[in-house]
Amino acid sequence: DAGVTQSPTHLIKTRGQQVTLRCSPKSGHDTVSWYQQALGQGPQFIFQYYEEEERQRGNFPDRFSGHQFPNYSSELNVNALLLGDSALYLCASSLRRGRAYNSPLHFGNGTRLTVT
Amino acid sequence: SQQGEEDPQALSIQEGENATMNCSYKTSINNLQWYRQNSGRGLVHLILIRSNEREKHSGRLRVTLDTSKKSSSLLITASRAADTASYFCATPLSGGGADGLTFGKGTHLIIQP
Repeated sequence: DAGVTQSPTHLIKTRGQQVTLRCSPKSGHDTVSWYQQALGQGPQFIFQYYEEEERQRGNFPDRFSGHQFPNYSSELNVNALLLGDSALYLCASSLRRGRAYNSPLHFGNGTRLTVT
Repeated sequence: SQQGEEDPQALSIQEGENATMNCSYKTSINNLQWYRQNSGRGLVHLILIRSNEREKHSGRLRVTLDTSKKSSSLLITASRAADTASYFCATPLSGGGADGLTFGKGTHLIIQP
């Protein structure tokens, strides 16, 4: 049973460029959330996708956008990269359908993005 | 802003000792979760405690929740070198439901052999 997989594992981009990160959720999960983790900090919620729609968004500018596909996989896009976007980007999946409470998140190992 | 804040920020103990870390949060919640993160990797879910529960156990882990004080604690008993990691508490952004989570800055735990 494959867990959450993210690609690529590492990425180096130049300021002003655009980047796309990819995530495949754990089998059986229908919800994907994205988090940004700066060095020495806790993860910060970017947004959550369910049924191919953005359901909730954290305090991130609209340079950050996403998509969820019919097979539940997801992409995170960041435009006009800034030096401060350098971080570990974590994808987490969960099962939302029929649940009233938060279900535990299953995280991938992240994509380490460096902006120079 | 981060709702949950862990204390202490760092903790170093001898193998075999117990480790206790605390979490405080600001708004009403219907559940609280604890996660572990080994260096540079993804987070691993440890335990979820609901607001109507006061204590929960899972193996060597014991979690308490005091909703009147808006605080939680995580106790790891008989620590092992493999427990060396960062530990985060997480609360729902909107108080509950299928929401994103807000994490604290974490407690970095080092188990000395």
